[in-house]
Amino acid sequence: QSALTQPPSVSGSPGQSVTISCTGTSSDVGRYNRVSWYQQPPGTAPKLMIFEVSNRPSGVPDRFSGSKSGNTASLTISGLQAEDEADYFCGSYTSSNTLIFGGGTKLTVL
Amino acid sequence: QVQLQESGPGLVMPSQTLSLTCTVSGDSINNDLYYWSWIRQPAEKGLEWIGRRYSSGSTNNNPSVNSRVTVSVDTSKNQFSLKLTSVTAADTAIYYCARGIGRGHDYFDYWGQGILVTVSS
Repeated sequence: QSALTQPPSVSGSPGQSVTISCTGTSSDVGRYNRVSWYQQPPGTAPKLMIFEVSNRPSGVPDRFSGSKSGNTASLTISGLQAEDEADYFCGSYTSSNTLIFGGGTKLTVL
Repeated sequence: QVQLQESGPGLVMPSQTLSLTCTVSGDSINNDLYYWSWIRQPAEKGLEWIGRRYSSGSTNNNPSVNSRVTVSVDTSKNQFSLKLTSVTAADTAIYYCARGIGRGHDYFDYWGQGILVTVSS
C-alpha cells in the first residue's frame, strides 16, 4: 500500500491560516470518513488533532479544523501561533482493512 | 489518564528478531472498543503502521511486513507486544505503541513516547 500524499512543507506567518492537504484514493480517503490528523513537534510522539475527518478531541484548539472532498482531506490551522510549528501527518483506514499514513508535512511559522 | 510505555532492546543484530513490549496503564487492555497497534518511523521519514490486535484476538498487519510480524496481547499483564523477525537495516526506526479506536472509527488517541531500535552488527 502506498502512503497518502502530503506536501513536504508549508509555512505561514503568525495570525495567518495554512492548509495541509492529504491525497489518497477511492480505496481509503475517498471511501471512508476515517481520516485523522496528528501533530508531532520535534523529538516527541504524535498527538491526535482531528479524527473522523473533522472532529476535534477535547483540548485541541478550535483553530484546527478538518475537511474532505473526494480523495483529498485537508487540515486547516487558522490564527497561526509559534507553538503550531511541527510535523503533521494524516492517517486513513483502507478497504484492505489496514491503516495508512501520509508522508508528513513540516509546518514552519515564519 | 491512559499511558503507554514501550520497552525492549535498542539494538538488534541483522537477521534476528526484534521484540518490544508496550505496558498500558490507566485503563484495561481487555476492552474490544480498542485495538492495540505498533507504528514505526524511520529517521526523518513518515509514519508506517505495522499491525494491530484486539484483546479478543482479531488481528491484521501491514502487507509489507505481514510475513514477519506478530502482535500479541497479554491481558493478565495489561501489555501488548511486537515481534518482527529477520530484521535488516531497513527496520531501524523509532517504534511507537498506540491505542486505536475500533468499531469503525480507526484513529489513534494515545501513543507511547517511542523507542529507538537500531538494526546493526
